[in-house]
Amino acid sequence: SYVLTQPPSVSVAPGQTASITCGGNNIGSKSVHWYQQKPGQAPVLVVYDDSDRPSGIPERFSGSNSGNTATLTISRVEAWDEADYYCQVWDSSSDHCVFGGGTKLTVL
Amino acid sequence: EVRLLESGGGLLQPGGSLRLSCAGSGFTFSSYALNWVRQAPGKGLEWVSGISDSAVTTYYADSVKGRFTISRDNSKNTLYLQMNSLRADDTAIYYCAKATTPAVTRAYFDYWGQGTLVTVSS
Repeated sequence: SYVLTQPPSVSVAPGQTASITCGGNNIGSKSVHWYQQKPGQAPVLVVYDDSDRPSGIPERFSGSNSGNTATLTISRVEAWDEADYYCQVWDSSSDHCVFGGGTKLTVL
Repeated sequence: EVRLLESGGGLLQPGGSLRLSCAGSGFTFSSYALNWVRQAPGKGLEWVSGISDSAVTTYYADSVKGRFTISRDNSKNTLYLQMNSLRADDTAIYYCAKATTPAVTRAYFDYWGQGTLVTVSS
């Protein structure tokens, strides 16, 4: 089955840029979606189709996808960005939706 | 405003059965695929199952295939998950998630419910 690998944690100072990676075999050939989840809350879609943002999501959130790595980039990080972030793809070979293990973003 | 409201969670013993429901409102329920995603305590997200808009196609994670059944009643704007032969590792918050397309394949989830907790323990 298809596996998505994320770093367990990323730390960044306020105002800096955070990059959260999502690794998968030839992930560049798939559409990658990203979710933010704060404690006790449901996930929220922040990036879809590699780099598009839903309405209401700040321009500070962006995404890219190439080769074996997709990346969620958060510019000018704010305290309220502290959350868990998950990448997600559809694996057509198994007809399964797959989530990465999640990355905890800590704002120092 | 799109709303998804799950219900039916609870505490039950291993081997038991439970049916979860998810009531949708604020969108054309019959036009979109719907999914169940779960999260074990302190763990990450795990996709459980998906169903197309007309219920013609369904998909299941390997961990629940043969034990869980997803269904929907578009006349009632309600999604269901029938869970049988429950195990301790099925303990999780179960979220209902709306896809952006009628099909489950290649979907992503633009709206989520707040979840319902299922605890399997003796």
